[in-house]
Amino acid sequence: AQSVTQPDIHITVSEGASLELRCNYSYGATPYLFWYVQSPGQGLQLLLKYFSGDTLVQGIKGFEAEFKRSQSSFNLRKPSVHWSDAAEYFCAVGAGGAQKLVFGQGTRLTINP
Amino acid sequence: GAVVSQHPSRVICKSGTSVKIECRSLDFQATTMFWYRQFPKQSLMLMATSNEGSKATYEQGVEKDKFLINHASLTLSTLTVTSAHPEDSSFYICSWGQLSNGELFFGEGSRLTVL
Repeated sequence: AQSVTQPDIHITVSEGASLELRCNYSYGATPYLFWYVQSPGQGLQLLLKYFSGDTLVQGIKGFEAEFKRSQSSFNLRKPSVHWSDAAEYFCAVGAGGAQKLVFGQGTRLTINP
Repeated sequence: GAVVSQHPSRVICKSGTSVKIECRSLDFQATTMFWYRQFPKQSLMLMATSNEGSKATYEQGVEKDKFLINHASLTLSTLTVTSAHPEDSSFYICSWGQLSNGELFFGEGSRLTVL
C-alpha cells in the first residue's frame, strides 16, 4: 500500500527566504504525486501534481516540485516566500487503480516578517 | 478550479443526535466522490469512496452504520453522522473527481463539534 512521509511537522522561514518542504513516498509503481495547501479552517487547494514526463513540475503561486524516483521524493520548493504562504502543506500519493489519495502528515509553514 | 461546496461549514450538536453534512459540486459532474476526516493538527484520513448509484466503500475502521453516505446524484452527496459522540468531533472534507487525471476538487470542509 502507498504511504507518504513529511519529515518536518513545522518549518519557520523569513519572508523572502527560499523554502523546501520534504516529501517521501512509498509505492511500487510510478505514483501520482500531489502537493496541496490548506489555510486554517479551509479546504485544500492543489498547488501542483506529477503524473509522468518532466520531473520538475511547476505549480501555482510560484511553487515547484521535483520528482526523484531514486530517492522516492517529491519535494516542494519556492525561491522566495511571502507572508501569505503561511499555511499547512500536504503531500499526497495516489494510485490510479485504487482511485484514492493517501496524505502525508502535513507541514505547517510559519513566515517571519 | 472547480467549486465544491459543503454545508454547514460549522455545526455543534449534542451527544446522541445525528448530523447531516452536504457536499455539492457546483460547476461539474463526477461519478466518484470521497469523504475525509481531519483531526486537529493531523492529516486527512480517507473515510469512504462513493460512486453515484452504488453503496459507498468504507475504509478499514470506519463504521458504515455510523457514517451514512448518500450519493444522490452526480453533484450531491451527504454524510450523516449518527448518534454522534464527542470523539466524532472533527473536520470533515469531501472531494469530487477522478484521481486518474488528477482532477480532484475539495470542499472547504465542515467542522463538527459534539458536546
